[in-house]
Amino acid sequence: AQKVTQAQTEISVVEKEDVTLDCVYETRDTTYYLFWYKQPPSGELVFLIRRNSFDEQNEISGRYSWNFQKSTSSFNFTITASQVVDSAVYFCALSEAGAGGTSYGKLTFGQGTILTVHP
Amino acid sequence: EAGVVQSPRYKIIEKKQPVAFWCNPISGHNTLYWYLQNLGQGPELLIRYENEEAVDDSQLPKDRFSAERLKGVDSTLKIQPAELGDSAVYLCASSRAGGTPYEQYFGPGTRLTVT
Repeated sequence: AQKVTQAQTEISVVEKEDVTLDCVYETRDTTYYLFWYKQPPSGELVFLIRRNSFDEQNEISGRYSWNFQKSTSSFNFTITASQVVDSAVYFCALSEAGAGGTSYGKLTFGQGTILTVHP
Repeated sequence: EAGVVQSPRYKIIEKKQPVAFWCNPISGHNTLYWYLQNLGQGPELLIRYENEEAVDDSQLPKDRFSAERLKGVDSTLKIQPAELGDSAVYLCASSRAGGTPYEQYFGPGTRLTVT
């Protein structure tokens, strides 16, 4: 069975600080996909990144960066120079990649990390 | 491009009453998902459609929940009768179909309160 653990329930930082959100996953599949979503106070989940299990290159997009380490089953997310607008709940999620299976495409989410950025 | 549309945004009903939620996915997205999100938790999949076929409904409580996706576009999720424990946010998402799990785009959700 798949499982995603986000051990940090809440994080509070002051604007311009860097912050890292941890994500650890469990799966028996050799091929899988990892995702990060942002859920601002408005409630709508916003897609941030999708990464497959064969691509361990780190990725940077503006102030956002992701560190994927297969050896430790982690897919951590760092926000550099945080801003008040980054305040939201962030979810890490995992999906099997076996096409044709009934659970194919099913996202298993972590519990989420509430990030509060203070001015 | 329009996003996933859901209605209503909020619904308050008494227990034992029926309720229905509607979802219109992003144009061209053949795969549609219904998720349930309880307060303080991540979404949990209820049902997944590929076009009009429900390919994964293993998490759908079929004694009171039903869903349909006629013509492979819009979808409706129904609860009858509602129970107090059904109070949650019901999210609809859509994605492209294909050989790999593509990113899912979510609608704003319907917040259901059962009193």
